[in-house]
Amino acid sequence: QKEVEQNSGPLSVPEGAIASLNCTYSDRGSQSFFWYRQYSGKSPELIMSIYSNGDKEDGRFTAQLNKASQYVSLLIRDSQPSDSATYLCAAPNAGGTSYGKLTFGQGTILTVHP
Amino acid sequence: NAGVMQNPRHLVRRRGQEARLRCSPVKGHSHVYWYRQLPEEGLKFMVYLQKENIIDESGMPKERFSAEFPKEGPSILRIQQVVRGDSAAYFCASSPGGGDTQYFGPGTRLTVL
Repeated sequence: QKEVEQNSGPLSVPEGAIASLNCTYSDRGSQSFFWYRQYSGKSPELIMSIYSNGDKEDGRFTAQLNKASQYVSLLIRDSQPSDSATYLCAAPNAGGTSYGKLTFGQGTILTVHP
Repeated sequence: NAGVMQNPRHLVRRRGQEARLRCSPVKGHSHVYWYRQLPEEGLKFMVYLQKENIIDESGMPKERFSAEFPKEGPSILRIQQVVRGDSAAYFCASSPGGGDTQYFGPGTRLTVL
């Protein structure tokens, strides 16, 4: 089982719709989770971090964490073509030996079409 | 505020040459991480360093690769005797402390001919 796993997609949604991106993790000891956005040929850019069970909202983005189910998601409301990118879920020290290194999922490619 | 800086942005090497990749963290950040992204693959952790110390190098290939973060100056990822399979994007990230949010630099794209 992969330490951090994402629905691989690709995911295509129309402009204005809600895009839902999902991630599961295997290490119950993981305490924090991060969503990064990566445009083609660019570096990862932090979108959201979440540490507690429940929802965290920031503008059009909502991260949801359920530690009992080992599940974290990212919702993008009112999706825009500029949201088209690869979204990476990451957890620190997932299955690792040091506190701090990030383990990434394989990424979900999102396309928002006009 | 300057973010993480990496140079060069693009590096071309012939097989057998050495590649040196540099990373300057965000000012005030003392934790540096190197990740590699092979074509069409995800980001993989390579090494985690603090000033003058390697904290975790569990993701580093056993041979040809080394990393340092000296007391003064940038962090360096060094690849000796490069092979075509080393062609990838190498990203550096930094954080103020271990476990804190990591901010990524623009990356160095290494091409081995």
